[in-house]
This record gives sequence, C-alpha cells and structure tokens, in this order.
Amino acid sequence: AQKVTQAQTEISVVEKEDVTLDCVYETRDTTYYLFWYKQPPSGELVFLIRRNSFDEQNEISGRYSWNFQKSTSSFNFTITASQVVDSAVYFCALSVSNNNDMRFGAGTRLTVKP
Amino acid sequence: DVKVTQSSRYLVKRTGEKVFLECVQDMDHENMFWYRQDPGLGLRLIYFSYDVKMKEKGDIPEGYSVSREKKERFSLILESASTNQTSMYLCASRRGGLTDTQYFGPGTRLTVL
Repeated sequence: AQKVTQAQTEISVVEKEDVTLDCVYETRDTTYYLFWYKQPPSGELVFLIRRNSFDEQNEISGRYSWNFQKSTSSFNFTITASQVVDSAVYFCALSVSNNNDMRFGAGTRLTVKP
Repeated sequence: DVKVTQSSRYLVKRTGEKVFLECVQDMDHENMFWYRQDPGLGLRLIYFSYDVKMKEKGDIPEGYSVSREKKERFSLILESASTNQTSMYLCASRRGGLTDTQYFGPGTRLTVL
C-alpha cells in the first residue's frame, strides 16, 4: 500500500526564517513519482515539483529546494528566507506505476508572520 | 496554461437533495479526478475517469456517482446529500500517466444542512 505522511500539521515562522516541511512516503514499487503542491487561501492546488524515483538529485528553484533521500523515504521541502506570500497549505503526494491516482499527505499549514 | 474550472466556488444544499458538481478542463486531458479535502485527512480520491464514459472508484466512492459524457467534462453527483458530505471538493485533470502532472481546479466548498 502507498502512504504519505506529513507529520507537521502546522508551522509558524517569522518572515525571513528558513523552514523545512517534512514528507515521508511508503511504497513497495520501485518506480514512483513524488510531488509537492501549494494550496494558497484561494483554494487551488498549485504544482511545485515532480521527482521520479530514479533521480535523487536535490533541486533548487529560487528560494525553494527539495531534498529527496530514498534511504529514509523522505522528500523534504525547504523554503529559504520565507515570505508572507508563502503562507499556504503544502501537500506532498505519491504516484506509483500500478495505480492511476495520487496518494496525498494530510498537508502542512505554513503561516509566515511579518 | 492548463485550465480546470469548477461550476461553483461555494454551494449550500439541504439533506436529501441531489447535487451536481461540474468540472471542465480545456487541455484535452485523458484523465480526470474528483477528490474531497477534509482537515487532517488531506485529499482523498472519490472517482476518476481515464476516458469518456469510463470511470473507476477511488478510496471513498460511497454516496457518490460520476458522469463523463464528453472528454472535457467530469461531473460528480451526490444522489442524496448528507451532512457528512460537507467538504471541499477538488477536481483535477492529467494528460497521461504518472510522468504527467495533475492540474487542479479552484475547488467547491459544499455545505449540506
């Protein structure tokens, strides 16, 4: 069975702090894809990144970076120098080869205070 | 840009009513999905469709049905709404398989009184 765990329900930081959102996944498949989505107050989930199981390179995009470690089944997301506009609910998700849907974590609500 | 639209942002219905939630995508995607989002539970898949008139149950199909008569439109139907179906409903579409990204609509917040 596939499972995604986001242990942090809510995180609150002050602007300019760095923050890491944790994501741990479970699957027996060797081919899978991991995703992060952002859900701002407007409600629409916005795609941030997709990673396949064969590519463990970390990725950086501006203030965002992702750390994929198969050894610990984790795909953590770090925001550097956080801003108020980063306030949102962030979802980690998993897709596997024998299933047509995505398995989502419960989400982490990030609040960045000015 | 991919556009997924949902017919209503907010909806209030009474127990026992039949409710239709409509979703339209404009990018000729094969796959469409309906999720419900509840606090602490993340997104849970209700149904998905991989082609016109084709559908498969997700994790929580009870109390729901779907219809896909045209490729761009995927409807979620609550035959007899109940208070435990009060939730945020999200529609998504995806062009192909796992290598493709799911794109989401803005969501419909349904309240059943």
